[in-house]
Amino acid sequence: DAKTTQPNSMESNEEEPVHLPCNHSTISGTDYIHWYRQLPSQGPEYVIHGLTSNVNNRMASLAIAEDRKSSTLILHRATLRDAAVYYCILRDVIGTQGGSEKLVFGKGMKLTVNP
Amino acid sequence: DTGVSQDPRHKITKRGQNVTFRCDPISEHNRLYWYRQTLGQGPEFLTYFQNEAQLEKSRLLSDRFSAERPKGSFSTLEIQRTEQGDSAMYLCASRRQGYNEQFFGPGTRLTVL
Repeated sequence: DAKTTQPNSMESNEEEPVHLPCNHSTISGTDYIHWYRQLPSQGPEYVIHGLTSNVNNRMASLAIAEDRKSSTLILHRATLRDAAVYYCILRDVIGTQGGSEKLVFGKGMKLTVNP
Repeated sequence: DTGVSQDPRHKITKRGQNVTFRCDPISEHNRLYWYRQTLGQGPEFLTYFQNEAQLEKSRLLSDRFSAERPKGSFSTLEIQRTEQGDSAMYLCASRRQGYNEQFFGPGTRLTVL
């Protein structure tokens, strides 16, 4: 399974943008980049995913480096509700064996939002 | 959309007992997943169903673990002869064919004494 590397933790201030980095230097051409987050005492929640181009949705933006070896999740205005553990995950949806259904979570990165 | 539901939310059992958890996925989601999460770690994949067929299993799923999805709707995860190392949060997720997003339930927290 392709691996990702994230900082253990980050802090941000409420209503300010926050950039969450992820390195995935061994990414393959068929790996999609997924971001999930997990609020305390809840199951993970999908945030966004992408392959090559930058992506935007109502929750966040995903900026993908041109060589795809890194990506950045951008929360445009952090709120207290964004305090969570964020997981950057690679998933091979095509692959040589038809892809894999599983999400391989690392330890993630804990985001603290200060009021 | 009522979300993925899991029952029970908490289970305390004694070592050696059998336990069974239930997951009700979002309707029309034909893919269903089980994960396990221990404190301070990310979730670990256990198994995956497409409709009623169990198509992928992790080596974490020992012989004491069995999962079913008999009619392609709800799923059960049974752990026989529980051990203290089985204490964890058991998460269920579902996904609709053609979409990338997995929707997770709130989990069942198992404590084995």
